[in-house]
Amino acid sequence: TQLLEQSPQFLSIQEGENLTVYCNSSSVFSSLQWYRQEPGEGPVLLVTVVTGGEVKKLKRLTFQFGDARKDSSLHITAAQTGDTGLYLCAGEGETSGSRLTFGEGTQLTVNP
Amino acid sequence: NAGVTQTPKFQVLKTGQSMTLQCAQDMNHEYMSWYRQDPGMGLRLIHYSVGAGITDQGEVPNGYNVSRSTTEDFPLRLLSAAPSQTSVYFCASSPTGMNTEAFFGQGTRLTVV
Repeated sequence: TQLLEQSPQFLSIQEGENLTVYCNSSSVFSSLQWYRQEPGEGPVLLVTVVTGGEVKKLKRLTFQFGDARKDSSLHITAAQTGDTGLYLCAGEGETSGSRLTFGEGTQLTVNP
Repeated sequence: NAGVTQTPKFQVLKTGQSMTLQCAQDMNHEYMSWYRQDPGMGLRLIHYSVGAGITDQGEVPNGYNVSRSTTEDFPLRLLSAAPSQTSVYFCASSPTGMNTEAFFGQGTRLTVV
C-alpha cells in the first residue's frame, strides 16, 4: 500500500505570511496532484506535477515535485483569507492507472 | 454542466438499516470511485470501477457494495449500516489514462445512530 504523509495537519497564519505544506512518501509516484477543498464541497484540482524536479506556479502558489518523485510541496506566498481551505495531495502510482492515494490533508486558516 | 451529481446530500440512518448513495456523471468518464472522508484521515478509497460492468475493491471496502451497469451511474450500497460508517462520502470520476483530473461530487454526509 502506498502512503502519503502530509504536514502540517493544521496551519493558522496571518494574512500576508508565507507558508509551505509538505507531502512525503517512501513510494514512487508517476504523478502528484494537489486539490483544494472548501466546506461542504468536493475537492477541486489545483495542479498536477509529473516530472521529477518539476516546478509549477499558479499565481501565488508554487508546487514542486521531488527529484525522486516521492515527495511534493506547496508554497503559498503572501497568503490571503481566500486561501483558507483544506489542501490535499494525491499520488498516482506507476501501475495503478487512475487510482489515487490521498494524504491526510492540511487545514489552512488565513486570518485577516 | 452538471459534472458529478451525488444524492442525497444528507442522510441519517439507524444501525442495521440499508441505503444506496447515488452518483451520476455526464462527462462520459470510464473511471469512477467512491471515497469516505473522516477527520484527519484524508480521503480513503472504498470501491472503484474502470468501466461499465467492472468494479474492484479499494482500501476500505468492508460493509459496502457497488455495481456499474452503465457508464454514467455508480451507486454505493450500505447493506447494514453501522455507526463506524458515519462519514462524508464522495464520488469521483475521471477519464482513463495517466495523470488525469478527478472530478468530485459535493458529497453525502451520512450519520448512523
